[in-house]
Amino acid sequence: KAGVTQTPRYLIKTRGQQVTLSCSPISGHRSVSWYQQTPGQGLQFLFEYFSETQRNKGNFPGRFSGRQFSNSRSEMNVSTLELGDSALYLCASSAGQVLSGANVLTFGAGSRLTVL
Amino acid sequence: GQNIDQPTEMTATEGAIVQINCTYQTSGFNGLFWYQQNAGEAPTFLSYNVLDGLEEKGRFSSFLSRSKGYSYLLLKELQMKDSASYLCAVMDSNYQLIWGAGTKLIIKP
Repeated sequence: KAGVTQTPRYLIKTRGQQVTLSCSPISGHRSVSWYQQTPGQGLQFLFEYFSETQRNKGNFPGRFSGRQFSNSRSEMNVSTLELGDSALYLCASSAGQVLSGANVLTFGAGSRLTVL
Repeated sequence: GQNIDQPTEMTATEGAIVQINCTYQTSGFNGLFWYQQNAGEAPTFLSYNVLDGLEEKGRFSSFLSRSKGYSYLLLKELQMKDSASYLCAVMDSNYQLIWGAGTKLIIKP
């Protein structure tokens, strides 16, 4: 069973540009969550999608957006990039809506974004 | 506000035992997760606690006290490959996961 796949793994952008990151969840998983991870900070929740609907959103500016397609694949977009957006962006999928010991988040390896 | 506290870094010796603590203050509680993250890799699930007590899984155990807002991850018979970051996350009353900053564990021979 393939895991969560994120592309690209690494990318470098300059301030003001925009970026789109992609996430393919585990087959059969309908929930996809996105997180930002920076050194010294916990995982910061961006948003969660379930069956193409955004169910929850974290405290990030409107420059951060996402969507989910009918095949559960998800994309997130960051517009007008700032230096502070440099981070590891992690995608995670789960089978059901409520997490538990039997329904855990499975993470992808992440997309490391560097903004110059 | 909601807060998860973990030590930033810990050092232990190969073959020994180490306990990584996690204290939390959240609006409600619906479970606590521990994840392991190797440098440059995806976090991977270790354990889940929702009731008070100890859950044992091989060399790893996780303990929860809901009244104290406290959990720990216990790693026994440490191996060099256990060098990693260990992340604690609590699911609040809205079933949102709140993450600690992680504990970097360094294992020395």
